[in-house]
Amino acid sequence: GAVVSQHPSRVICKSGTSVKIECRSLDFQATTMFWYRQFPKQSLMLMATSNEGSKATYEQGVEKDKFLINHASLTLSTLTVTSAHPEDSSFYICSATDRGNEQFFGPGTRLTVL
Amino acid sequence: AQSVTQLDSHVSVSEGTPVLLRCNYSSSYSPSLFWYVQHPNKGLQLLLKYTSAATLVKGINGFEAEFKKSETSFHLTKPSAHMSDAAEYFCVVSMNSGYSTLTFGKGTMLLVSP
Repeated sequence: GAVVSQHPSRVICKSGTSVKIECRSLDFQATTMFWYRQFPKQSLMLMATSNEGSKATYEQGVEKDKFLINHASLTLSTLTVTSAHPEDSSFYICSATDRGNEQFFGPGTRLTVL
Repeated sequence: AQSVTQLDSHVSVSEGTPVLLRCNYSSSYSPSLFWYVQHPNKGLQLLLKYTSAATLVKGINGFEAEFKKSETSFHLTKPSAHMSDAAEYFCVVSMNSGYSTLTFGKGTMLLVSP
């Protein structure tokens, strides 16, 4: 099946710094990528949907200036958490799809903000 | 609006015994329903999906699920658990036949003992 990777798998940073997470589709072209957030013992919550070459669509309650999403190519989307704070600590998961077919999920990135 | 309730946060079974993971959904539209599995440090993998065709859906690794509209349920079953089935399972609903808007349940951790 299609493979989606994320980098890094885990990151620890100081409060106030910015962190970039990469999501790559390794063997297919992803017209749409999704970013999810998962708190411990919680559901995956959709944060935003990004289409290659256009601005991301953010879900209600997600600060677009804090969670910057760039989908510059058909195989790469990045999520930058700007001025991270401890409450941003979470598990971030991306998924990718080509033309509305099955979403293929990355393994996730564990962010810890000290 | 749509929502998913996974009734058990943890299910423990012995190897070789049946598995039942329960899921109830709420949707204003004819839903599409999915079960995903997540092994530690791995991405989510699609087990099976229901998209208004046959109500009994067979998936990978011997899993199956039955869509029961009258009960608004989509329970996941397997006749005989294997040690490798130990993982987190997510029931997911989409309000259309595609994958564009997924709402996740909180997940059920399946524990399999020898």
